[in-house]
Amino acid sequence: EAGVAQSPRYKIIEKRQSVAFWCNPISGHATLYWYQQILGQGPKLLIQFQNNGVVDDSQLPKDRFSAERLKGVDSTLKIQPAKLEDSAVYLCASSPPRAATNEKLFFGSGTQLSVL
Amino acid sequence: RKEVEQDPGPFNVPEGATVAFNCTYSNSASQSFFWYRQDCRKEPKLLMSVYSSGNEDGRFTAQLNRASQYISLLIRDSKLSDSATYLCVVNSFRGSARQLTFGSGTQLTVLP
Repeated sequence: EAGVAQSPRYKIIEKRQSVAFWCNPISGHATLYWYQQILGQGPKLLIQFQNNGVVDDSQLPKDRFSAERLKGVDSTLKIQPAKLEDSAVYLCASSPPRAATNEKLFFGSGTQLSVL
Repeated sequence: RKEVEQDPGPFNVPEGATVAFNCTYSNSASQSFFWYRQDCRKEPKLLMSVYSSGNEDGRFTAQLNRASQYISLLIRDSKLSDSATYLCVVNSFRGSARQLTFGSGTQLTVLP
């Protein structure tokens, strides 16, 4: 079974630039999550999709972050403009559709973002 | 107060030792609980779920105390390969969405 695919693996940008991350979840997984993990901290949820609808984006800094999952499959997370404090690993995860098992998250390898 | 709190460690233990990690959570309505493992520069992976009755998977034992809002993970006979960060994870409702909240993790290093 193919895992969650993310790209790019690494990204270095200067502050105030824009950046986009891509995620393709495991086939058939209806729920997709974007997490931000700052060094030394646990992953923090940014946004949760169920199919192509947003379920929770309460912790997404909407003045600079946006995300979409137009066809209910792959997703893009964008930061515009980036700040130094956005330096982190951005993890995409997906979970199966059945209620009994959708608590198990399958994570991608993440995109490590460095903002200089 | 953080929703999920863990002792960050680091815990440095010799091979063969028994080590225990603790975690507390603030939302009394939380429904399910997990331990995830994260190796250095890797993504988190589910280690085990935590049930009220306590559960065991080989050398790993997880326990939940709902009254005290406390979760624990015990690792017996530690191996070098157990070196990782252990994340306590709590599933609760935020509005209509069920959401997993991660603790900051406890770092374990098993020494030869």
